Amino acid sequence: DAGVTQSPTHLIKTRGQQVTLRCSPISGHKSVSWYQQVLGQGPQFIFQYYEKEERGRGNFPDRFSARQFPNYSSELNVNALLLGDSALYLCASSYGQLLTNEKLFFGSGTQLSVL
Amino acid sequence: DAKTTQPPSMDCAEGRAANLPCNHSTISGNEYVYWYRQIHSQGPQYIIHGLKNNETNEMASLIITEDRKSSTLILPHATLRDTAVYYCIVIKGGTSYGKLTFGQGTILTVHP
Repeated sequence: DAGVTQSPTHLIKTRGQQVTLRCSPISGHKSVSWYQQVLGQGPQFIFQYYEKEERGRGNFPDRFSARQFPNYSSELNVNALLLGDSALYLCASSYGQLLTNEKLFFGSGTQLSVL
Repeated sequence: DAKTTQPPSMDCAEGRAANLPCNHSTISGNEYVYWYRQIHSQGPQYIIHGLKNNETNEMASLIITEDRKSSTLILPHATLRDTAVYYCIVIKGGTSYGKLTFGQGTILTVHP
């Protein structure tokens, strides 16, 4: 079975532009979470979606938004890009919405560079 | 979720056991200890988790002290491919909606 897949793998944008990142979870997984990882730091939680509804949100501005589709795939949108948005964006999936006694499976991420 | 403290870096010789410590002195009774690792340029990978008892799987062993205030991840026979950042994370049961709080982790370097 395929793991969590993300596209694109690399992306270069300029300040003020908008970007859309895509994620396909493991087959059968209904929950998708998004994380931002700045160079040298651990990943930071952005969103979780379960059954197409937002179930959790981290401390990120409203420029960040996401959605989940009926097939459980997800998109992360970032508007009005800033230089500080340059990071590795990770998607993770799990079967349930709660992490108790469950694992998160991560994709390899999308490396976003904002110039 | 309880805060965790890990050493910033550790070294290990190939073939020897790697013992990675984690302090979580404020852990409460319904919080789980999870370990993930991140190899360069990849997403984090689940290793193991536990609540009270020691756990073992094909990747590693997790030893949790009786008072649950600290734990140790053991990689029994480290290889060069085990070089990675190892994250110890505490998750409260029933409330963590897909949210893992990653700290700085421990950079483990396995030497030939």
